[in-house]
Amino acid sequence: DQQVKQNSPSLSVQEGRISILNCDYTNSMFDYFLWYKKYPAEGPTFLISISSIKDKNEDGRFTVFLNKSAKHLSLHIVPSQPGDSAVYFCAASGIIGGGADGLTFGKGTHLIIQP
Amino acid sequence: NAGVTQTPKFRILKIGQSMTLQCTQDMNHNYMYWYRQDPGMGLKLIYYSVGAGITDKGEVPNGYNVSRSTTEDFPLRLELAAPSQTSVYFCASSRTGGGTDTQYFGPGTRLTVL
Repeated sequence: DQQVKQNSPSLSVQEGRISILNCDYTNSMFDYFLWYKKYPAEGPTFLISISSIKDKNEDGRFTVFLNKSAKHLSLHIVPSQPGDSAVYFCAASGIIGGGADGLTFGKGTHLIIQP
Repeated sequence: NAGVTQTPKFRILKIGQSMTLQCTQDMNHNYMYWYRQDPGMGLKLIYYSVGAGITDKGEVPNGYNVSRSTTEDFPLRLELAAPSQTSVYFCASSRTGGGTDTQYFGPGTRLTVL
């Protein structure tokens, strides 16, 4: 049973426009959410995160929004650039099993930025 | 700073063979993790360690073993390889645990079991 869901396997966006990637979660024990970016043949790299006590976190072109009541978060990239083409993973963590557990990942969304 | 390094990059095993995937980090991080990523899926936690000498199971530990004798190294052992273990394996480390600290990932080891 997937606890973190990314329902769009791929997303195509024109360069310069806004990219919106969505993520839903089911476990109410999650209290911290992260987005990782992954290029082919490389490991994931951290992009941005948000604590459950916030509803928005911004870092340059990247903004993450959290709607706790809906158990939904989204990543906005504005403006989208060709280098943003990658797979984006939503991940979650919480005080489960003592808090030292790793992250729970979604399946990822492949973002393609069209010139 | 090399960050997190993994060897080998690629490996093909026959059913029943064993191997060790190596992982080393030079950031003096206490926490280290092993994940596997199957095609079209997210990463799943195999084992993690909160410091030298301390390891614990993650979501999918069956068929694997780990040890952590030093802060830097966290090898993953496959004893009797099975086709179901065909996957890409990622090692990661973080300064603190709980998931709130950034996890730094290695480039991965692509393993095929035939």
